[in-house]
Amino acid sequence: DVKVTQSSRYLVKRTGEKVFLECVQDMDHENMFWYRQDPGLGLRLIYFSYDVKMKEKGDIPEGYSVSREKKERFSLILESASTNQTSMYLCASTAGTGLGYTFGSGTRLTVV
Amino acid sequence: GQNIDQPTEMTATEGAIVQINCTYQTSGFNGLFWYQQHAGEAPTFLSYNVLDGLEEKGRFSSFLSRSKGYSYLLLKELQMKDSASYLCAVRDSNYQLIWGAGTKLIIKP
Repeated sequence: DVKVTQSSRYLVKRTGEKVFLECVQDMDHENMFWYRQDPGLGLRLIYFSYDVKMKEKGDIPEGYSVSREKKERFSLILESASTNQTSMYLCASTAGTGLGYTFGSGTRLTVV
Repeated sequence: GQNIDQPTEMTATEGAIVQINCTYQTSGFNGLFWYQQHAGEAPTFLSYNVLDGLEEKGRFSSFLSRSKGYSYLLLKELQMKDSASYLCAVRDSNYQLIWGAGTKLIIKP
């Protein structure tokens, strides 16, 4: 089974801190995605990547950046965390555009 | 704009059948997905429809009508473990997934 691992399940950070959320997948998938999930809203795409060192903005990239130095790892960076970035963050990967996504278990980030 | 609509919450009884509807308006269509998400956990893949009709997989079935922009997920012989949120997602012409907000299904004994 494909495994997508997110480094932390729960994280509490202070406003203004730089925050790194790590995601690693073990099935050599080309495509990786970062979403945030908030109550009453669908998953919203922050950034995605179709290859190493490649990144594309999703629907809500403001306040975030990403890094993909290796195929298996896709990192989400909050340069200066703000309280409105308190959310559940989900990483996903897929082998191709015609296939379903496999999600990590999520990181619930609280910014205080 | 692009939009996926599904009911916010539904309640059903253990052993019964429930149908969760999803309507969509997207720029193009390249398939529709249903995912299950238990509270505090990651979404897991349930089904994929790209052609009209019914896809059956055990107790779960998914139906698609592209002309109507409509899908439903049918759950039979409901079990308590089916209590979860069910997410509908459509792949648009750019092969991006557009997600509904999810339907929270509550199963009562």
